[in-house]
Amino acid sequence: AQSVAQPEDQVNVAEGNPLTVKCTYSVSGNPYLFWYVQYPNRGLQFLLKYITGDNLVKGSYGFEAEFNKSQTSFHLKKPSALVSDSALYFCAVRDRMTGNTGKLIFGQGTTLQVKP
Amino acid sequence: EPEVTQTPSHQVTQMGQEVILRCVPISNHLYFYWYRQILGQKVEFLVSFYNNEISEKSEIFDDQFSVERPDGSNFTLKIRSTKLEDSAMYFCASLPGSRGEQYFGPGTRLTVT
Repeated sequence: AQSVAQPEDQVNVAEGNPLTVKCTYSVSGNPYLFWYVQYPNRGLQFLLKYITGDNLVKGSYGFEAEFNKSQTSFHLKKPSALVSDSALYFCAVRDRMTGNTGKLIFGQGTTLQVKP
Repeated sequence: EPEVTQTPSHQVTQMGQEVILRCVPISNHLYFYWYRQILGQKVEFLVSFYNNEISEKSEIFDDQFSVERPDGSNFTLKIRSTKLEDSAMYFCASLPGSRGEQYFGPGTRLTVT
């Protein structure tokens, strides 16, 4: 069965420090990988995706993520955290196989708290 | 920038009542989805819709649920007889093609009392 794991319910970092939000997945083949962010009482906003090519992908607001096939991971990173980055972050995967309907499988989410 | 819109933002209904949640996807998108998020839990896939028919549905999407794209712009989710456990945030999403990211609406918070 397809699954996504975000092992940390919450990540706390100080403003200006680097941050990492972890994600591992279990999907057959080579999936498409995504990160979304959710601010309070808001919808899901797309941050970045890995489809193919360079394992390091860059996205919105200075975020980046590294696809590691051998570890089946797609950790979200940012070199210098901002207080405004505080939100709920979701990792999601989509099966790449032909005929797939494109549904996303989400992790349980990680709350990022950036303190001044 | 085009965006997915959803109405209403909040719906309160009594158990057993029918509700219709509405979504307007981005106009040139081809694939449409409904997801739900029970408070404090992860986002769960409900149903996908392509070429005017359901392409996949989850175990959650039982006979009480239905979807329609009645006029080529709106995309609706109907729950025929709501249960307390249907209380959740419901997100609509659309996808322009077979690759790329889904665009999510702001959600409808459904409260069943």
